[in-house]
Amino acid sequence: GAGVSQTPSNKVTEKGKYVELRCDPISGHTALYWYRQSLGQGPEFLIYFQGTGAADDSGLPNDRFFAVRPEGSVSTLKIQRTERGDSAVYLCASSSYGGARETQYFGPGTRLLVL
Amino acid sequence: SQQGEEDPQALSIQEGENATMNCSYKTSINNLQWYRQNSGRGLVHLILIRSNEREKHSGRLRVTLDTSKKSSSLLITASRAADTASYFCAVLRTGSARQLTFGSGTQLTVLP
Repeated sequence: GAGVSQTPSNKVTEKGKYVELRCDPISGHTALYWYRQSLGQGPEFLIYFQGTGAADDSGLPNDRFFAVRPEGSVSTLKIQRTERGDSAVYLCASSSYGGARETQYFGPGTRLLVL
Repeated sequence: SQQGEEDPQALSIQEGENATMNCSYKTSINNLQWYRQNSGRGLVHLILIRSNEREKHSGRLRVTLDTSKKSSSLLITASRAADTASYFCAVLRTGSARQLTFGSGTQLTVLP
C-alpha cells in the first residue's frame, strides 16, 4: 500500500509569510507525528496526534506553529510569520500500534526555505 | 532536545567491510530504533529492539542493546556502496510520551 506522503516537496517563501505543509498518513494509522530536521541534525519532535486531537504539542517551538487533523487522517502543519530560522525539512510520520513495538513510518519530508 | 548521540559522526569504509555505529542515550526506554536516511529526506525504518532484548538480527544488520550502559550498536556486515547514507538511532522513552527522540546521526560512506 501507499506510504506516508507529504506535499509540497519543497517550499520557498519570504520572511513573514504564512505556509501550510500537508501530510497524508498511511491509511488506517491513528497516530500521526510531525518532526523538524535541521541540516546535520536528527529530527526533533514537534507534535503528535492520536485521532483528531493533539495528544502532545510540547515540541512546537512557539505560537507561530500550529497543526490540525480535523478528520483523523490528513494533517496540516501551519506556520505563521515565517522566520529564516524556520528553514528545515519537516517530516511527518504515522503509526498504528503503540507500546514497545511501535514503528513510525516517515514520509519524504517537505524542505522549507525561508528567504 | 537531542538525547541519542551517535558515534562516530562520520565513517568511511571500503565495500565488503563491516560498519559499526554506536548510540548512547540518557533515560529509561521502551525501545530503541535505527533509521536510515538518504540525501536528507525521508527516514527508512531499519530495526527495532525492545528494552528487554539484547540483540536482534535482520539480514545484514545486527543490533545490540545494553540498557545498563544506555548504549546500542548497529553493525552492517559486508557493506555495499548502496549502504551509503546517514544512520540515526531513536529512543522511545518510558512513560506516556509516544514521540521518538533522535540522535544526530552517523554519516556512512561505503567506497566501491
